[in-house]
Amino acid sequence: GAVVSQHPSWVICKSGTSVKIECRSLDFQATTMFWYRQFPKQSLMLMATSNEGSKATYEQGVEKDKFLINHASLTLSTLTVTSAHPEDSSFYICSATGPGGNQPQHFGDGTRLSIL
Amino acid sequence: GENVEQHPSTLSVQEGDSAVIKCTYSDSASNYFPWYKQELGKRPQLIIDIRSNVGEKKDQRIAVTLNKTAKHFSLHITETQPEDSAVYFCAANAYGNNRLAFGKGNQVVVIP
Repeated sequence: GAVVSQHPSWVICKSGTSVKIECRSLDFQATTMFWYRQFPKQSLMLMATSNEGSKATYEQGVEKDKFLINHASLTLSTLTVTSAHPEDSSFYICSATGPGGNQPQHFGDGTRLSIL
Repeated sequence: GENVEQHPSTLSVQEGDSAVIKCTYSDSASNYFPWYKQELGKRPQLIIDIRSNVGEKKDQRIAVTLNKTAKHFSLHITETQPEDSAVYFCAANAYGNNRLAFGKGNQVVVIP
């Protein structure tokens, strides 16, 4: 149980392109989803928290107009990197939790984004 | 906000020996402490977690201990095997809610 699917797993695109990443909970209702960014050999940096049906809460220093997050249903959240530039290249990972407090976060496989 | 420190950054152990990773946290309101294992290029996988109402939890070769007074918790891996080689992240929930603050990670290398 507690499977999270993330697509695509790998994206290579030109500078200026917008890229959408999907995160789906396959066998549970994800009331909260999280988006992280991970640089090579570094820790997970939380970008934003999204609750189903409400606006995402962004961490300090994360541009909400740059990283658009939508959590329209209990099983799907999307992250759109708008007008991506080479400095946006990174490993993006989503996670999801079910209802209730202090629930484990279950991670997707991540998306490796490379902007040329 | 919550600050999680993780030590050591790298740990090499002989196969069959035990490995211990220690983490400290700053927010006394934190009450949930998961440990994740991440292999190269793969997703972090939850291996064990502990809540603040218990001091120790064990699952086969893996155990976690929590000292709320000192605000530190540790991961113990016994009888290490080569497949235990990975990066291990500790985390604590920030402000007592679902948001997690992660440590910087610990590279564990099990030498056959």
